[in-house]
Amino acid sequence: QVELEQSGAEVKPPGSSLKVSCKASGGTFNTYGMAWVRQVPGQGLEWMGQIIPLFGTTNYAQKFQGSVTITADKSTSTVYMEVSRLRSEHTAVYYCARSRYIDMYQLQSSFDSWGQGTLVTVSS
Amino acid sequence: EILLTQSPATLSLSPGDRATLSCRASQSVNNYLAWYQQKPGQAPRLLIYDTSNRATGIPDRFSGSGSGTDFTLTISSLEPEDFAVYYCLKRGDWPPLFTFGPGTKVEIK
Repeated sequence: QVELEQSGAEVKPPGSSLKVSCKASGGTFNTYGMAWVRQVPGQGLEWMGQIIPLFGTTNYAQKFQGSVTITADKSTSTVYMEVSRLRSEHTAVYYCARSRYIDMYQLQSSFDSWGQGTLVTVSS
Repeated sequence: EILLTQSPATLSLSPGDRATLSCRASQSVNNYLAWYQQKPGQAPRLLIYDTSNRATGIPDRFSGSGSGTDFTLTISSLEPEDFAVYYCLKRGDWPPLFTFGPGTKVEIK
């Protein structure tokens, strides 16, 4: 049984940066990729980007390109999502979600395991 | 960029009713379409992948179908626990990026 454990809720001031972690346990970390999904309160789901840790390859949604960085530490089976220059619009729940990879750039077409979500509040 | 629309935005039904949810793509897509259920305060749960395959542990009252630009999630007979928001998710061919639809809320009538 794969579990994805995310870091805890955060309150951050505008202009600061944020780093959320997602630690995988169970399963084989190197056979999967990990995506990050954002959900602004009361709104829908947005795919932000992904990483395939075995290769270190990343893809980002155009909206998040340049402002979000996704990294992975294979030694600890942990994936990170960093957002710089936080604004109030970044207040959201951030989820990590797992999918098997097809090759160094592609994940399979769905995410079968999700973290519990991390609530990030950007406020002064 | 392929966009997804879902209809209706809200579906008001009673337990035991049949629910038919639509997901439409702005241009023809492959069969890399999935459906998720999300309840308040919970992470999304995978129901259907690759258009019509039920995920592990999903009851057979949930089914998916479609091709090209039009895809459907059908719940044959609503149970009380099925009232939730449902999202479709598409993976593009190349670049292999993902897009969620805006969601359909299934509420108790």
